[in-house]
Amino acid sequence: QVQLVQSGAEVKKPGASVKVSCKASGYTFTSYGISWVRQAPGQGLEWMGWISAYNGNTNYAQKLQGRVTMTTDTSTSTAYMELRSLRSDDTAVYYCARDFGSVAYDYWGQGTLVTVSS
Amino acid sequence: EIVLTQSPATLSLSPGERATLSCRASQSVSSYLAWYQQKPGQAPRLLIYDASNRATGIPARFSGSGSGTDFTLTISSLEPEDFAVYYCQQRSNWPRSFTFGPGTKVDIK
Repeated sequence: QVQLVQSGAEVKKPGASVKVSCKASGYTFTSYGISWVRQAPGQGLEWMGWISAYNGNTNYAQKLQGRVTMTTDTSTSTAYMELRSLRSDDTAVYYCARDFGSVAYDYWGQGTLVTVSS
Repeated sequence: EIVLTQSPATLSLSPGERATLSCRASQSVSSYLAWYQQKPGQAPRLLIYDASNRATGIPARFSGSGSGTDFTLTISSLEPEDFAVYYCQQRSNWPRSFTFGPGTKVDIK
């Protein structure tokens, strides 16, 4: 069965970086893109960006350009999302999700809580 | 940037009642619209893709309709497990980006 398993919770200080991993199993990793979505406490969903697991092409949300980098390691079927220059408003649960069709994500990771606090 | 608006913000209904949720886009998104259900502490669950197609395993009481700028998610008869927050999501082609609506909470009356 398809699974996306994310790395554990992180606590970071303002200005630091965080790198969250998302290990895929149960399907051919390079056949689907991976997107990252975050959700601040009590808030809605925010799309962060997308990476093609086939060729590494990326597309980032404009507000995160310059601070976010998404990569993949096809040898381990793992996607990564790195966010730099962390601020308190980056505190959120970060999800990876598998692309499905034109506009949808059919499988999601369990989420990774990133807390930014001094 | 295309903005999605969802209404109402909260919908208070009883089990067995019909729920009608609205999602409106600031400009046409064709049929590039999806709907998700999210319960507390859980990841979102895909319900509807391409405006009207039910995802695998989604009960027939969930249906989606619309195109262009106006979309509707209908739950024909609410089950106890349907009380949750529902988000719509769209895709823009240029620049390629995805945005979510602010959500509609369906709670028990």
